[in-house]
Amino acid sequence: AAGVIQSPRHLIKEKRETATLKCYPIPRHDTVYWYQQGPGQDPQFLISFYEKMQSDKGSIPDRFSAQQFSDYHSELNMSSLELGDSALYFCASSIRDRVEKLFFGSGTQLSVL
Amino acid sequence: AQKVTQAQTEISVVEKEDVTLDCVYETRDTTYYLFWYKQPPSGELVFLIRRNSFDEQNEISGRYSWNFQKSTSSFNFTITASQVVDSAVYFCALSVSDYKLSFGAGTTVTVRA
Repeated sequence: AAGVIQSPRHLIKEKRETATLKCYPIPRHDTVYWYQQGPGQDPQFLISFYEKMQSDKGSIPDRFSAQQFSDYHSELNMSSLELGDSALYFCASSIRDRVEKLFFGSGTQLSVL
Repeated sequence: AQKVTQAQTEISVVEKEDVTLDCVYETRDTTYYLFWYKQPPSGELVFLIRRNSFDEQNEISGRYSWNFQKSTSSFNFTITASQVVDSAVYFCALSVSDYKLSFGAGTTVTVRA
């Protein structure tokens, strides 16, 4: 069965650079969630989208932005990268109001040097 | 606000021992979902179980079992006859009506041969 696809799997950037992470949800899933997991930390909710509209927002820095496209894939754009942005970024997808359909991708490991 | 507490930071056992991971949650919502995820060293989040607030039945799946008690707001997880492959970080998580997950801090389980 198709799963949530995240790309790239690993990303290395320098301070002050920009990064774009991509998430391809499971087919027919209309909701996407982004989570950030710092080293030794638990995943923290960043932002979510339903039907291409932002549905909820967590502790996402102003330097980050995200969107969901017409094909339901989502991109997380991160600018002016800081060392503290180094983390594992997870995307999850679901069918709205169906939490039993929530699935996580394998994550993108971002390292900022 | 939702909160998940995993009081045990690290647990170390010898192979074949049983290990129980504690999870205590807080929410004012009457409808909610509880999850357990396993995060092996490779980093992905592996879904283990989901329980809704109306289903207090305990569950057993192979060597894994879960004890959900609303009276004490706990959702504990037991690994019976642990194996080296069980070594991972285990997260308990809570979701309410907005469907985003609030994770506990995680418990690192180390199973020694």
